[in-house]
Amino acid sequence: QITLKESGPTLVKPTQTLTLTCTFSGFSLSTSGVGVGWIRQPPGKALEWLALIYWNDDKRYSPSLKSRLTITKDTSKNQVVLTMTNMDPVDTATYYCANSHTKYSSSPFDPWGQGTLVTVSS
Amino acid sequence: EIVLTQSPATLSLSPGERATLSCRASQSVSIYLAWYQQKPGQTPRLLIYDASNRATGIPARFSGSGSGTDFTLTISSLEPEDFAVYYCQQRSNWPLTFGQGTKVEIK
Repeated sequence: QITLKESGPTLVKPTQTLTLTCTFSGFSLSTSGVGVGWIRQPPGKALEWLALIYWNDDKRYSPSLKSRLTITKDTSKNQVVLTMTNMDPVDTATYYCANSHTKYSSSPFDPWGQGTLVTVSS
Repeated sequence: EIVLTQSPATLSLSPGERATLSCRASQSVSIYLAWYQQKPGQTPRLLIYDASNRATGIPARFSGSGSGTDFTLTISSLEPEDFAVYYCQQRSNWPLTFGQGTKVEIK
C-alpha cells in the first residue's frame, strides 16, 4: 500500500522560505519510472501543479514558479523536499504531494497525500 | 502551456441522472489525460487515466472517453457520493496542467 504524508510549517511570513517534506512508503524513488510531484490548491480554487522529481533525479518545475522552487529527494529516507522562496500571501494553499509512475502514458498522480495547509501572513 | 477548459463549471443534477463532463485541451494531448474527483475537505482521487482507463477500485458507472483535444467523463447514474468537483489533468507537454474543475451538485 502506497502512502504519502506532507509535513512542514502551517504559517510562514511574507518573504520567508517554505520547506515542505513528503514522507512516503510502499514504493522506492530508486525504482525506474517512479516520481513524486507537488500540487497546491488555494482555498476554494483549482489544483496547480508545482514540481515533479523522478527516480533518475530528472526534475521538472512549473515555469511560472521555477525561479522560486527547488525539489530534491532522499531515497534512503523515502522523502522528497520542496522549497519555495519569497513566500507571499497569494501562496496560501493546501500543498499536496503525490506518487506518479511512467508505466501509464498519462503518468497520473495516485495516490495523494492528505495535504498540508500553509498560510502566508505577517 | 496547454490550457484545459472544463465545462460546464457547475452541473446540477439529481441522483440517478447521467452526468457528462467535458475537458477540452488547447492543443492535442493524445490520450495523456487523467480525471480526478475531489469531495469537500478531501484529497483528490484518481478516477481515470490514459483518457479511458478506470483506476483501481473505481466503480463502472464512471467512464472516460476521447483523444486529442476533446475528452468526456461520464457518470452513468449519479450516486449520492458522486456529488463533488472533478478535474482533468494532462501530461502530454510540460508543464503539467489541470482544468479549472466542474462541480457536480445536487439539484
